[in-house]
Amino acid sequence: QLIESGGGLHQPGGSLRLSCAVSGFSVKTAFMSWVRQAPGKGLEWVSLMYPTGGTDYSDSVKGRSSISRDNSKNTLYLEINRLTAADTAVYFCARDTYFGSGTAFVHWGQGTLVSVS
Amino acid sequence: SFELTQPPSESVSPGQTAYIACSGDNLGTKFVSWYQQKPGQSPVLVIFQDDKRPPEIPMRFSGSNSGNRATLTISGTQDVDEADYYCQAWDSTDFYVFGSGTHLTVL
Repeated sequence: QLIESGGGLHQPGGSLRLSCAVSGFSVKTAFMSWVRQAPGKGLEWVSLMYPTGGTDYSDSVKGRSSISRDNSKNTLYLEINRLTAADTAVYFCARDTYFGSGTAFVHWGQGTLVSVS
Repeated sequence: SFELTQPPSESVSPGQTAYIACSGDNLGTKFVSWYQQKPGQSPVLVIFQDDKRPPEIPMRFSGSNSGNRATLTISGTQDVDEADYYCQAWDSTDFYVFGSGTHLTVL
C-alpha cells in the first residue's frame, strides 16, 4: 500500500514536500517513482529513486527537485522548489516491480493534489 | 527525446474488439506497458513486458509490440472497459516515457 500526503495549495515560487508512506514492502529495495498528472492531462514521470540510492529526474523538475527516502519510516519523499502553475497536478507515488526486464508500475498510491496559485 | 504517440480517442461497440495503438521510434526494441485509468482513480497496470497480463487482469486484455508500434487489444469489450489508456516504455535518456493517452468509448 502506498499513501501520499502533502498536497494542497502552494504559492508560486514556493516549495513543497510530498510524502509517500509505504507498507507491504521496503522502499530501500524498490525502484520508486513519482508520477504526476495535470488536470485533464496525461501521465508524466517526475523522478525515480533506485535501491542504490541513486536518483533521476525529468527535465521539467531537474535542478529544483529532490527525491529521497527514510528507510526507518519506510517513506518516500519529493521536494520541488521554485513552484510554478505548471506544477499543478495530482502526484502519485508508484513502484516499478519489473525494472531491468522492462519497466512497469504495478503499485500506485491514490495521489495527492497540488495546486500552485 | 523519445516520444510515444497515441490517438486521442477510440470507440468500440460492446462485445467487439478494441485496438489502441502506441507508436515510437524502434518501439519494438523496448518493453511496453499499458495502464488503464478511470476518472478520479489511480492508473492500473493491464499489460507489461509487451504482452503479459497481471493475474487480476481479465484475459480479454492482450498486447503486442513490433517495429515502431505497440497495440493494446481488448476482445469482447465491456462497458467497464471505458477508460483512458496509456502506453509506457523506458528510454535510457528520457527514463519513463508515457504516451499521451487514448480515451476509449464503449457505445
